[in-house]
Amino acid sequence: GQNIDQPTEMTATEGAIVQINCTYQTSGFNGLFWYQQHAGEAPTFLSYNVLDGLEEKGRFSSFLSRSKGYSYLLLKELQMKDSASYLCAVRGTSGTYKYIFGTGTRLKVLA
Amino acid sequence: GAGVSQSPSNKVTEKGKDVELRCDPISGHTALYWYRQSLGQGLEFLIYFQGNSAPDKSGLPSDRFSAERTGGSVSTLTIQRTQQEDSAVYLCASSRSGRETQYFGPGTRLLVL
Repeated sequence: GQNIDQPTEMTATEGAIVQINCTYQTSGFNGLFWYQQHAGEAPTFLSYNVLDGLEEKGRFSSFLSRSKGYSYLLLKELQMKDSASYLCAVRGTSGTYKYIFGTGTRLKVLA
Repeated sequence: GAGVSQSPSNKVTEKGKDVELRCDPISGHTALYWYRQSLGQGLEFLIYFQGNSAPDKSGLPSDRFSAERTGGSVSTLTIQRTQQEDSAVYLCASSRSGRETQYFGPGTRLLVL
């Protein structure tokens, strides 16, 4: 079967660093994506990993280990506007490139 | 257009009625996807279009659900004889090709009474 696991909720303080983990078991792998989704809005693209290692983009970094089926999203210098759901998605290799999504991690940033 | 657009943004319907949801992808994007997001659930894949054809319809939950795409652009998702369990946010995404990042529209919030 195909499964993507991430924590349901996390809480952190403004200015802090938070790491959101994602583990996956899928029948194929053609990249892992992180999206941010504010309540009532569309998911917006944050990062993409297809090779092992760390991808850094400003305050956000994403890491991938394909052998472990593991990724994390690292958010630094947290701001109140970072309060949102963070969705981990794996793209398959079946030829349709559809994404398999986790249920998302709801992050609350406290002042 | 600048981004993916969907209409209507909200739809309330009565059980048993048919509904049509529309998606306008980013200009030039050949790949188009429909997803469903129920409360507290992850995004659930419904169907994928490459151009006007749908090589993967595996996520459509029942034969009450159908979708089409015309002119390699606009897509319509139709739900016939709606049921209360169809209530969800229906999201459309497009990408330049299947290999590239998907960009999402704002979604249509469907409520079946």
